[in-house]
Amino acid sequence: DAKTTQPPSMDCAEGRAANLPCNHSTISGNEYVYWYRQIHSQGPQYIIHGLKNNETNEMASLIITEDRKSSTLILPHATLRDTAVYYCIVRVALSSNYKLTFGKGTLLTVNP
Amino acid sequence: NAGVTQTPKFRILKIGQSMTLQCTQDMNHNYMYWYRQDPGMGLKLIYYSVGAGITDKGEVPNGYNVSRSTTEDFPLRLELAAPSQTSVYFCASSFGGVTIETQYFGPGTRLLVL
Repeated sequence: DAKTTQPPSMDCAEGRAANLPCNHSTISGNEYVYWYRQIHSQGPQYIIHGLKNNETNEMASLIITEDRKSSTLILPHATLRDTAVYYCIVRVALSSNYKLTFGKGTLLTVNP
Repeated sequence: NAGVTQTPKFRILKIGQSMTLQCTQDMNHNYMYWYRQDPGMGLKLIYYSVGAGITDKGEVPNGYNVSRSTTEDFPLRLELAAPSQTSVYFCASSFGGVTIETQYFGPGTRLLVL
C-alpha cells in the first residue's frame, strides 16, 4: 500500500470549513484513498473513500487531484465534535493484505 | 444494531497474568480484526480472521492468541502479560471480499500491565 503524508496538526474555527490535506505521491492505479477519524478515546470511524472522482457524503467531501498524488478531506461546517485525529489511508480495494495501515494522522482541533 | 462491542472497557493486569478480551459484532460480517494502539501512535494489526475457524497473524502477533468459533465472536487471549502489552485494543469487523473495504471499530479496551 502507498505511503501517505499528513500534517501533524491543524486548527479550524467552528462553523468554518476544515480542509485536511494528504499526499500519496506513490499511489497506484488500483489503490483507493480512505479517510477515517478517531475522536479521543474512541475507536476509529470511517468517513469516506474515493478512487479518482470527487466524492461527497453526509459527513464530508473528498477531493482527489487529477494525478491522484494528493487529496483533501473537507468538513464543510466544522463543529467542536469534529475535533479528532484524521487518518488518510491508501490501499488496494480487494487485497489479501487486509490490514488498514494507520499512520499518525492529523490532529484537527476545532476552536469555538 | 449494536455494531462492534468490546469487554471489558478497562483492565489492570499484573505481569504474568492472563486474560481474554472479548469482541462481538452483530452485523454478520465475515472479517474481524484486532488492533492495538500505543500512546500517540497509529493502530497496528495483531490478528485477523476471514471467517469462522480461520485466523491469521498480523504485524504484531507475539504474546497473543485468537480463536473464531462463530461469525459473531473473536476473542483475543493474552498469555503471560508483559508491560509492553500496555495499550488500547480495538476490535473491528468488515464484510470482506467486496471491492470497497470499510472496517467498523469497537470502543476499545484499555489494558494496563503492571
